[in-house]
Amino acid sequence: DQQVKQNSPSLSVQEGRISILNCDYTNSMFDYFLWYKKYPAEGPTFLISISSIKDKNEDGRFTVFLNKSAKHLSLHIVPSQPGDSAVYFCAAFTISSGSARQLTFGSGTQLTVLP
Amino acid sequence: EAGVAQSPRYKIIEKRQSVAFWCNPISGHATLYWYQQILGQGPKLLIQFQNNGVVDDSQLPKDRFSAERLKGVDSTLKIQPAKLEDSAVYLCASSLLRPSGRPKNIQYFGAGTRLSVL
Repeated sequence: DQQVKQNSPSLSVQEGRISILNCDYTNSMFDYFLWYKKYPAEGPTFLISISSIKDKNEDGRFTVFLNKSAKHLSLHIVPSQPGDSAVYFCAAFTISSGSARQLTFGSGTQLTVLP
Repeated sequence: EAGVAQSPRYKIIEKRQSVAFWCNPISGHATLYWYQQILGQGPKLLIQFQNNGVVDDSQLPKDRFSAERLKGVDSTLKIQPAKLEDSAVYLCASSLLRPSGRPKNIQYFGAGTRLSVL
């Protein structure tokens, strides 16, 4: 049972345009969400996060939107750059689970930014 | 600041053999995680340590997998005996603790060990 789903395995975008990566979750107990970026042969790198008490968080070119009623979040990258080409993972956990911090990951979306 | 260190980077073994992976977290990070990432999937938590104690090992296949963090710093994950389906990347991550004693929300990952079981 996949609790975090990224239904698009791949996305191609032209340099300078907007990239929108989507993520859906089924567990209503999740209250903190993170996006990680992964280059080949490297570990995932934290990109941006959002708490369920917010609906938007912005950091430079990256913005994450959270729609709790739809159990949906999205990552917007504007403008997209070739260096953004990587696999993007959506992850979630439940803060109220105490010290347990099991991140539940989606299966990832390969973003390719074309020059 | 040095990141999470893992070794080896690659390992090829035959089924029924044993293998061990090593992880050194970021200095000062009290919480350490081991994840398994099968090709085409997201990472899945195997075990979480806080200092040298286990917080969550509910998804660790304990009949063949074991992990320890004896001095609350580096950690070893062992598989004995290995099966074909253990072929994956094993990722180690670490995070700081809040003054409350709960881990901070961001986990920092190492580059992983790619295991191939033949």
